[in-house]
Amino acid sequence: DAGVTQSPTHLIKTRGQQVTLRCSPISGHKSVSWYQQVLGQGPQFIFQYYEKEERGRGNFPDRFSARQFPNYSSELNVNALLLGDSALYLCASSSRLAGGTGELFFGEGSRLTVL
Amino acid sequence: GQQLNQSPQSMFIQEGEDVSMNCTSSSIFNTWLWYKQEPGEGPVLLIALYKAGELTSNGRLTAQFGITRKDSFLNISASIPSDVGIYFCAPLNYGGSQGNLIFGKGTKLSVKP
Repeated sequence: DAGVTQSPTHLIKTRGQQVTLRCSPISGHKSVSWYQQVLGQGPQFIFQYYEKEERGRGNFPDRFSARQFPNYSSELNVNALLLGDSALYLCASSSRLAGGTGELFFGEGSRLTVL
Repeated sequence: GQQLNQSPQSMFIQEGEDVSMNCTSSSIFNTWLWYKQEPGEGPVLLIALYKAGELTSNGRLTAQFGITRKDSFLNISASIPSDVGIYFCAPLNYGGSQGNLIFGKGTKLSVKP
């Protein structure tokens, strides 16, 4: 079975541009979460979607938005890119919304560089 | 606000040595998770702890959930080169979602053959 897949794997943008990152969860998983990982730091929570509804939002500006589609895949959009948005963006899926035993499975990430 | 401290920041050890790292928090949690991230990969769950005082092993890895519920420890015995990576702790509360985790800053492990 395929794991969590993300695209693109790498991309370069310039300040002010917009970017869309895509994620396909593990088959059967209905929860998708997005994390930002800046170099040298742990992943930081951005959004969680479950059954196509936003179920959690981290401390990120409104330039960050996301959505989940009927097939449970998800997109993360970032508008008006800043240099500080350069990071590895990780998508993770889980079979559950809540409960400590709902293990999170991560994709390999999308490496965004903003020039 | 909640503070999560993970130490050490990095470790350089010889193959065969034992490794110990820990995570402390200003808040109480009901679950402690330990993840490993290898270069170019996303984090992978190593061990999950659900009960204060719990000691859990996964091969050469052993993790403990502190009695105070504010800390956790991860030990790796007889390290090998493939243990290289960054280890993260991630605590959460009962009923909380693993999709919404707070990660420590990580412990970067380097193993010299």
